[in-house]
Amino acid sequence: SQQGEEDPQALSIQEGENATMNCSYKTSINNLQWYRQNSGRGLVHLILIRSNEREKHSGRLRVTLDTSKKSSSLLITASRAADTASYFCATDARQGAQKLVFGQGTRLTINP
Amino acid sequence: GAVVSQHPSWVICKSGTSVKIECRSLDFQATTMFWYRQFPKQSLMLMATSNEGSKATYEQGVEKDKFLINHASLTLSTLTVTSAHPEDSSFYICSAREGRAFGPLHFGNGTRLTVT
Repeated sequence: SQQGEEDPQALSIQEGENATMNCSYKTSINNLQWYRQNSGRGLVHLILIRSNEREKHSGRLRVTLDTSKKSSSLLITASRAADTASYFCATDARQGAQKLVFGQGTRLTINP
Repeated sequence: GAVVSQHPSWVICKSGTSVKIECRSLDFQATTMFWYRQFPKQSLMLMATSNEGSKATYEQGVEKDKFLINHASLTLSTLTVTSAHPEDSSFYICSAREGRAFGPLHFGNGTRLTVT
């Protein structure tokens, strides 16, 4: 079963607005990662946040992590048309294999 | 840096034939590669973990005799879909990890397989 559940499944906003996506997971983790996927392409790593971190920034991206609630959020500020893509969170189980399990993803559409 | 090349980007084959997909790490050594399958508008489903020089570890429900994985070198892993059927049509994506065990993955651009 998928480790992460994301909401919303789809989000459509105007260019310049902020976009927030949420991710929840089930088991203890070493870290949580966010990826972007343009249609028909592979995934691109955006940001990694460790289990002992609460917030992390990278350019227009801001990620938070609440391990007590087993949830994370990705905020994209001042959105651009080029941000249109699907966004996935991914987690690795603290124990066992080094594999990443992906959430269902949020399809983000930025309207010009 | 950290480029993963996946080939072919798309392939159409007839039912019953086999198709091989290659995944190469171009500028780093990847001791571990992962193969995912993705259906339209859905998430990535991990099929198997491929470790260089050893047998792949398949996820539950994935037929190892149907999806043959070989990881003969630190820069190349292959996925062969044997005796393909229309239900195997999907988007297959490989990824590789560089460096530390729980670091980010670098993805190929995927292979769109259509079985007619």
